[in-house]
Amino acid sequence: GENVEQHPSTLSVQEGDSAVIKCTYSDSASNYFPWYKQELGKRPQLIIDIRSNVGEKKDQRIAVTLNKTAKHFSLHITETQPEDSAVYFCAASGGTYKYIFGTGTRLKVLA
Amino acid sequence: NAGVMQNPRHLVRRRGQEARLRCSPMKGHSHVYWYRQLPEEGLKFMVYLQKENIIDESGMPKERFSAEFPKEGPSILRIQQVVRGDSAAYFCASSNQGKGETQYFGPGTRLLVL
Repeated sequence: GENVEQHPSTLSVQEGDSAVIKCTYSDSASNYFPWYKQELGKRPQLIIDIRSNVGEKKDQRIAVTLNKTAKHFSLHITETQPEDSAVYFCAASGGTYKYIFGTGTRLKVLA
Repeated sequence: NAGVMQNPRHLVRRRGQEARLRCSPMKGHSHVYWYRQLPEEGLKFMVYLQKENIIDESGMPKERFSAEFPKEGPSILRIQQVVRGDSAAYFCASSNQGKGETQYFGPGTRLLVL
């Protein structure tokens, strides 16, 4: 069935360093890939998304890359700050209406 | 600028009681999705509804769980005869269109079954 794998499950970086989170999806019909940030006890917030007709998208310190052939997509956060600490979820959609979420990455930015 | 609204934010029920969770989508959105998040886990799709129609309920348990999105009023996720394993955060999301569109999430309802 449809599946999204996400790695790593936890990630600690020093403030100012970069963080990279990787996801792999199984449904080749997927064509929309959002990333959500979830702080403790809060709702998932969309931070960036990418569609299958582009390979990379950037928004300030956040970028997402997509390799459709390999069914990989990645989130890159540069110049990390303590307020970037949260759980990040990738998702894949398009083959069906629902989002298939990854299992999440707990990012901790150390000051 | 009202986003997706959910209530109640927290709900405590004893085993065997009913839980009723409400979701009002963003203004102009007619597509509603319900997801469940167990502690320390990701979000799992439960059901997708449009006004007065259930489009996909493949992620929702066949027993005790039901969902509706009436012509007027919020979408309702109903859990009958709750058990401890139903304790989770239930998030509603809405979108303007269906397939492949951005979904915006509500604040969630945290259900605790005693």
